[in-house]
Amino acid sequence: AQTVTQSQPEMSVQEAETVTLSCTYDTSESDYYLFWYKQPPSRQMILVIRQEAYKQQNATENRFSVNFQKAAKSFSLKISDSQLGDAAMYFCAYRRLPGAGGTSYGKLTFGQGTILTVHP
Amino acid sequence: EAGVAQSPRYKIIEKRQSVAFWCNPISGHATLYWYQQILGQGPKLLIQFQNNGVVDDSQLPKDRFSAERLKGVDSTLKIQPAKLEDSAVYLCASSRGQGDYEQYFGPGTRLTVT
Repeated sequence: AQTVTQSQPEMSVQEAETVTLSCTYDTSESDYYLFWYKQPPSRQMILVIRQEAYKQQNATENRFSVNFQKAAKSFSLKISDSQLGDAAMYFCAYRRLPGAGGTSYGKLTFGQGTILTVHP
Repeated sequence: EAGVAQSPRYKIIEKRQSVAFWCNPISGHATLYWYQQILGQGPKLLIQFQNNGVVDDSQLPKDRFSAERLKGVDSTLKIQPAKLEDSAVYLCASSRGQGDYEQYFGPGTRLTVT
C-alpha cells in the first residue's frame, strides 16, 4: 500500500519570503501522480500543483514549484514570494496511474498535512 | 460551471443516532468520491463511484456506513448508528472519469457526534 508522510505539522513564513514544505512517500509502482493541495479554513480543497512521476522536469505553477526526487521518494513544495492568501493547510497526495493494475486508481492517498502561517 | 455541492455544512448529533449527507457533483462528472477527514489528519477515501457503480469501498465501515448514487448523479452517505469516532469532515469530490487526474472537492460537511 502507498503511504504519504509530511513531517512538518506547522511552518511559518514572512510575507514575500520563500518557504518549502516537505513530503515523502512510499510506493512500489514506477508511474504515478503526486499532488499538492491547499485547504483554507473554508475547507474547500484546491489543487495547487501536480507532478507525473515519468516526467523528470519539476512542475511549476506561477509562484509554486516542486522538487521531485524520484529515487529518494521525496516531493517538496516551494512557495516563492509568499502572500497572506497562501495561509492554509497543505496536503501532499499520491495517486496511481490508470493501467497500473486493479480496478481502482482514482483515489488520492493524502499525507497528514502542514499548516502554513504567513506573517505580514 | 457550478462546483461540487454538499449539504448540510454542519451537523451535530448524539451517538447512536443516524445522519445522512448529500452531494451533487459537477454536471457530467462520472466519478464521485467520498472522503473522511478526521481533525488533524489528511482525508481518507471511504467510497468511490463510477457512474452508479461502486469501484472501491474497501475502507468503508460497512456495518454502519452506507452510500448510494442513484442514476449516477448525486449521492448520499449515511451513518447509522453514529459513534463518537465518526466526528469528522466528510468531503465529496468528483472528476470527469477515473482516468482524469483532477478531482474537484466540495466544501464538506462537518459532523460532530456527542
